[in-house]
Amino acid sequence: GEDVEQSLFLSVREGDSSVINCTYTDSSSTYLYWYKQEPGAGLQLLTYIFSNMDMKQDQRLTVLLNKKDKHLSLRIADTQTGDSAIYFCAERTSGTYKYIFGTGTRLKVLA
Amino acid sequence: GAGVSQSPSNKVTEKGKDVELRCDPISGHTALYWYRQRLGQGLEFLIYFQGNSAPDKSGLPSDRFSAERTGESVSTLTIQRTQQEDSAVYLCASSLGALDRSYEQYFGPGTRLTVT
Repeated sequence: GEDVEQSLFLSVREGDSSVINCTYTDSSSTYLYWYKQEPGAGLQLLTYIFSNMDMKQDQRLTVLLNKKDKHLSLRIADTQTGDSAIYFCAERTSGTYKYIFGTGTRLKVLA
Repeated sequence: GAGVSQSPSNKVTEKGKDVELRCDPISGHTALYWYRQRLGQGLEFLIYFQGNSAPDKSGLPSDRFSAERTGESVSTLTIQRTQQEDSAVYLCASSLGALDRSYEQYFGPGTRLTVT
């Protein structure tokens, strides 16, 4: 079945690293995405990884993929108050157009 | 350049009334999606348009929901005889629509629908 799962809440102190986790179910060639949603706004794509990769780094963001466990994580280094938002994990099987989104993780950064 | 726009930004309606939500995608984007986001929940796929192909309506929750798109331009999502459980944020996204590339979905700000 199709299911993408995330923990609902994460709270970190400003300057610490945040790690947001996601598990997915598709076992074929898959794109995996991280989106950020700020209050009252639509979703903004942060980064993505294809399932033939283990890691992708983009400035303060690091994505790690464990294909065996179907586990995806997003690490935000030096977390800032502006990083407070809801973070969605999503998967899309290559060759299809349907995205499956997780329920989102609300990140709260404490000053 | 202009992003995806949606109107209205907020809509309050009485139970039983019909509502129409509008999405203006980014020019040149052939793919268009509608999603529903209930409070505290993830995005629920509703419908997908790709160019002139038949849309994928598999996510529409009931026959009270319908959507249209003219060519590769504006789309409207219509909810007839609204119910309180229809209250949600309705998000539209568009993309270039290449299936085998990680094309980016660009989201609009959403329409917050409240059914009283």
